[in-house]
Amino acid sequence: AQTVTQSQPEMSVQEAETVTLSCTYDTSESDYYLFWYKQPPSRQMILVIRQEAYKQQNATENRFSVNFQKAAKSFSLKISDSQLGDAAMYFCAYRGSNTGNQFYFGTGTSLTVIP
Amino acid sequence: KAGVTQTPRYLIKTRGQQVTLSCSPISGHRSVSWYQQTPGQGLQFLFEYFSETQRNKGNFPGRFSGRQFSNSRSEMNVSTLELGDSALYLCASSLGVGTGRGEQYFGPGTRLTVT
Repeated sequence: AQTVTQSQPEMSVQEAETVTLSCTYDTSESDYYLFWYKQPPSRQMILVIRQEAYKQQNATENRFSVNFQKAAKSFSLKISDSQLGDAAMYFCAYRGSNTGNQFYFGTGTSLTVIP
Repeated sequence: KAGVTQTPRYLIKTRGQQVTLSCSPISGHRSVSWYQQTPGQGLQFLFEYFSETQRNKGNFPGRFSGRQFSNSRSEMNVSTLELGDSALYLCASSLGVGTGRGEQYFGPGTRLTVT
C-alpha cells in the first residue's frame, strides 16, 4: 500500500518569511498525482497545489511552490512571504493511477505563523 | 458553482445507535469519497462511489456503509455506534477517475460525537 510521511508535526514561521514543509511517499506506481491540502481551524480542507508525476516542472501557485523529486519520492511545499492566514494544518496527499480515486494522506504538519 | 455540502454539520449520538450522513457533491462531479478524520489516526479512507457503484473501500468494519444516488448525492451510514466512531467525517467530490486533473474537493465535514 502507498504510504505518505510528513515528518514535521509542527512548524513555525515568522510573518513574511519562507517555510518549507516536507513530505515523502512510497509507491511502486510510475503515474500518480501529489497534492498539498490546507485545513484551517474552520476545518474546511482546501486544495493548495497539485503535481502530476509525469511533469518534471515543479508546480507553483502564487506564493506556494513545490519541490518534486520523483526519484527520491519527495514532495515538499514552500510557502513564501508567509501570511497570518497561512496558519493551518497542511496535509500531503497521494493519488495513484491504479487506486481509483483513493487518496492517501500524511499525518499533517501544523503551521504557526508568528506576527 | 456551489461547493461540496454535508449535512448535518454536528451530530451527537449514543452508543448502539445508528447514524446517516449526507453529502452533495459539486455539480457535475460523479465521484464521492468519504474519509474519517481523528486526532489519533489522521485521515482514513472509508469508501468511494462513482455512478452509484462502490469502487473502492478502505479498511473499516461492515458497520460502515454507503450509497450513491443517481444525482451523485451520497450517504454514509454507521450502525451500532461505538465511542471510537467519534470523528470528523469528510466527504470529497471529484469528476471521476481518468477525468480532470485528479483533485478532490472537500466538504466542511460532519462532526460526530458518540456518548
